[in-house]
Amino acid sequence: KAGVTQTPRYLIKTRGQQVTLSCSPISGHRSVSWYQQTPGQGLQFLFEYFSETQRNKGNFPGRFSGRQFSNSRSEMNVSTLELGDSALYLCASTRKTSGAADTGELFFGEGSRLTVL
Amino acid sequence: AQSVTQLDSHVSVSEGTPVLLRCNYSSSYSPSLFWYVQHPNKGLQLLLKYTSAATLVKGINGFEAEFKKSETSFHLTKPSAHMSDAAEYFCVVSRLGNNDMRFGAGTRLTVKP
Repeated sequence: KAGVTQTPRYLIKTRGQQVTLSCSPISGHRSVSWYQQTPGQGLQFLFEYFSETQRNKGNFPGRFSGRQFSNSRSEMNVSTLELGDSALYLCASTRKTSGAADTGELFFGEGSRLTVL
Repeated sequence: AQSVTQLDSHVSVSEGTPVLLRCNYSSSYSPSLFWYVQHPNKGLQLLLKYTSAATLVKGINGFEAEFKKSETSFHLTKPSAHMSDAAEYFCVVSRLGNNDMRFGAGTRLTVKP
């Protein structure tokens, strides 16, 4: 069974540009969450999608957005990049089903490392 | 509101000696608690989880953790460290059914030969 796949693994952008990151969850997983990991702030929750709907959102500015497609694949977008957006962006999927308490286990991808110059 | 505090940013042990990584939590709800491990340039992997069943939880690779409500703690232990245990460990709290998981700052475990 393939794991969570994130693309691209590494990318370099300049300030003011925008970036789109992609996440393919484990087959059968319908919930996808995104996290930002930096040395200074640690791991911070960005948002969660389930059945193409955003269900939870962390405390990030509107420049950070996401979406989920009907096949559960998800993308996140960061517009007007700032130096502080340099981070490892991690995607995680779960077997969460609608209305049910999920297993609590997140399956993480290896991340997309974004460097903003 | 919920949060976790990992009491040590760095722990160093010798191979074959016990490991103790400390975690205290705060939660307005009955918490779900997890320990994840992250090896360099890799994603996170679940070690173990507590979801209101047995208070002593056994995980992979010989790790275990004990939920102590009176002390609001969920410390991670292993009787004998292995070189391959060197990694970053994260204690995590969430509300059951909610993927807004709050991560601790992490504890870097170094294992000396």
